[in-house]
Amino acid sequence: AQSVTQPDIHITVSEGASLELRCNYSYGATPYLFWYVQSPGQGLQLLLKYFSGDTLVQGIKGFEAEFKRSQSSFNLRKPSVHWSDAAEYFCAVGSLWGAQKLVFGQGTRLTINP
Amino acid sequence: NAGVTQTPKFQVLKTGQSMTLQCAQDMNHNSMYWYRQDPGMGLRLIYYSASEGTTDKGEVPNGYNVSRLNKREFSLRLESAAPSQTSVYFCASSDIGEGSYGYTFGSGTRLTVV
Repeated sequence: AQSVTQPDIHITVSEGASLELRCNYSYGATPYLFWYVQSPGQGLQLLLKYFSGDTLVQGIKGFEAEFKRSQSSFNLRKPSVHWSDAAEYFCAVGSLWGAQKLVFGQGTRLTINP
Repeated sequence: NAGVTQTPKFQVLKTGQSMTLQCAQDMNHNSMYWYRQDPGMGLRLIYYSASEGTTDKGEVPNGYNVSRLNKREFSLRLESAAPSQTSVYFCASSDIGEGSYGYTFGSGTRLTVV
């Protein structure tokens, strides 16, 4: 069965510091991978996605993620965080065709220290 | 603005009461989904509709029913609410193919069952 693990429930970083959020997946077929961000009281917004090709993908708000098939990982990174990046981040895996049933990780809550 | 609209935004029910959560999208997407979000558990799929006229169970369908009324609308019904159904419910829509951008989410319905 497919699954997504985000090992870190809560991460705190200082403003201006670099960030890496971890995501490991288990999926039987070619995985299609996503990162979403959720601000308090809001729905989820797509940050970036990986379907195929270059394993380093760029997203919105200065985020990037790297797909590593050998490690079953799709970690999210940002070189320098801003206070507005404080939110909850979800990694998801699914199939592109047919119904796109996504399986989500448990989420990582990011706190930014001034 | 184009997107996914959910109503209501907040609801309090007594145990045993029924209600329907409404969802509508105006992006001409084929697929629609209902997820629930609980702390520490990420988002779990309740039901989905791959296309107009079809619905299928997701990971946690017990206690819920759905109706795909037309291509735009996908409703979720709780026939006899239970405290375990206290959650935040998200509707989402998507289209198929690599040209799609993953899910578009509504802003959520916060449901409390007392």
